[in-house]
Amino acid sequence: QKEVEQDPGPLSVPEGAIVSLNCTYSNSAFQYFMWYRQYSRKGPELLMYTYSSGNKEDGRFTAQVDKSSKYISLFIRDSQPSDSATYLCAMRTPLGNFNKFYFGSGTKLNVKP
Amino acid sequence: DGGITQSPKYLFRKEGQNVTLSCEQNLNHDAMYWYRQDPGQGLRLIYYSQIVNDFQKGDIAEGYSVSREKKESFPLTVTSAQKNPTAFYLCAAGQGIGGNTIYFGEGSWLTVV
Repeated sequence: QKEVEQDPGPLSVPEGAIVSLNCTYSNSAFQYFMWYRQYSRKGPELLMYTYSSGNKEDGRFTAQVDKSSKYISLFIRDSQPSDSATYLCAMRTPLGNFNKFYFGSGTKLNVKP
Repeated sequence: DGGITQSPKYLFRKEGQNVTLSCEQNLNHDAMYWYRQDPGQGLRLIYYSQIVNDFQKGDIAEGYSVSREKKESFPLTVTSAQKNPTAFYLCAAGQGIGGNTIYFGEGSWLTVV
């Protein structure tokens, strides 16, 4: 079983739709939770990170963490064609004196005009 | 601009050759990482370094080598011992202990011909 599971998609939605992207994880030691956006043939770009359970909002993006269910989500409101990309979830756990990061395999999103 | 610079963007290697991928950061972060990204497999950790002159093997270090002689630089050598080197390589940097997240460069595409 992978430490972090993420549906690879692709997920195709019309412009203006609300998008929900999700990850589940198995290790209760995970602390910080991150979402990255990766355009084709580019490096991942950090969108948001959060620590505690609950919601964190930044513009059209909302990150949600439910530690009791080991489940995190990223919601995108009023989706735009420019949001078409692969979205990676990631989480961190301290490993001795080193921070190790675990990544989902990414969900490919296509927003149709 | 602050960030992480990887070069070259595209690289072709003949079988049996060693190649070195460059990674430079001006974020003043202590920790640096190398990941490999293959389709559908997410990011896999090759090597990491928490401080100058120190580095540790990640999950898939065989066939790779690194050095960390300066805080800003963390080059990766893909040796001829790496049996399947064709992949997208990502360098990242973070604040080390207590750092909540990491930031990525734009990546280097390596193709064996």
